[in-house]
Amino acid sequence: EAGVAQSPRYKIIEKRQSVAFWCNPISGHATLYWYQQILGQGPKLLIQFQNNGVVDDSQLPKDRFSAERLKGVDSTLKIQPAKLEDSAVYLCASRAGLAGNTGELFFGEGSRLTVL
Amino acid sequence: QQQVKQSPQSLIVQKGGISIINCAYENTAFDYFPWYQQFPGKGPALLIAIRPDVSEKKEGRFTISFNKSAKQFSLHIMDSQPGDSATYFCAASFYGQNFVFGPGTRLSVLP
Repeated sequence: EAGVAQSPRYKIIEKRQSVAFWCNPISGHATLYWYQQILGQGPKLLIQFQNNGVVDDSQLPKDRFSAERLKGVDSTLKIQPAKLEDSAVYLCASRAGLAGNTGELFFGEGSRLTVL
Repeated sequence: QQQVKQSPQSLIVQKGGISIINCAYENTAFDYFPWYQQFPGKGPALLIAIRPDVSEKKEGRFTISFNKSAKQFSLHIMDSQPGDSATYFCAASFYGQNFVFGPGTRLSVLP
């Protein structure tokens, strides 16, 4: 079974530029998450999708971050314009179950963003 | 109330020793408590998980102890090995949603 795929693995941009990250979850997984992991900290949820609908985006800085999951499969996270404090690893995770059904989160290897 | 606290921040253990990492939560609605292991440059991977209806779960060298009344749970790694050197995150979720992660514990097992 293929794991969660993310790209690019690394990205370096200047502040105020834009960047996009792509995630392809495990086939058949209904729930998809984007987490931000700042160096030395635990993952922080940015947005959770169930199929192609948003379940929770309460911690997403909506003035600069956007995410979509068209057709309920792969997803894109965009940052525009980037700030220095956005330097982090952006982790995508997927889970087979729907809300109310707990289960394992499967993470991708992450996309490391450096904002100069 | 959504926060999960974790200690210690870092831990150094000799090979063959016991590693213990503690976590605490506030939200009594949490109903699933996993531990994730993360190696440098990799995403976190599930190690072991427990639900609040049991007080202990063991899988090989890894054991979760759960104290519902104290709202605390801990990970015990028996016979720690250098290959266990990684960062460990406790987490909590409710109703299959909103997984909240602790800040992590960096474990180093000396050969």
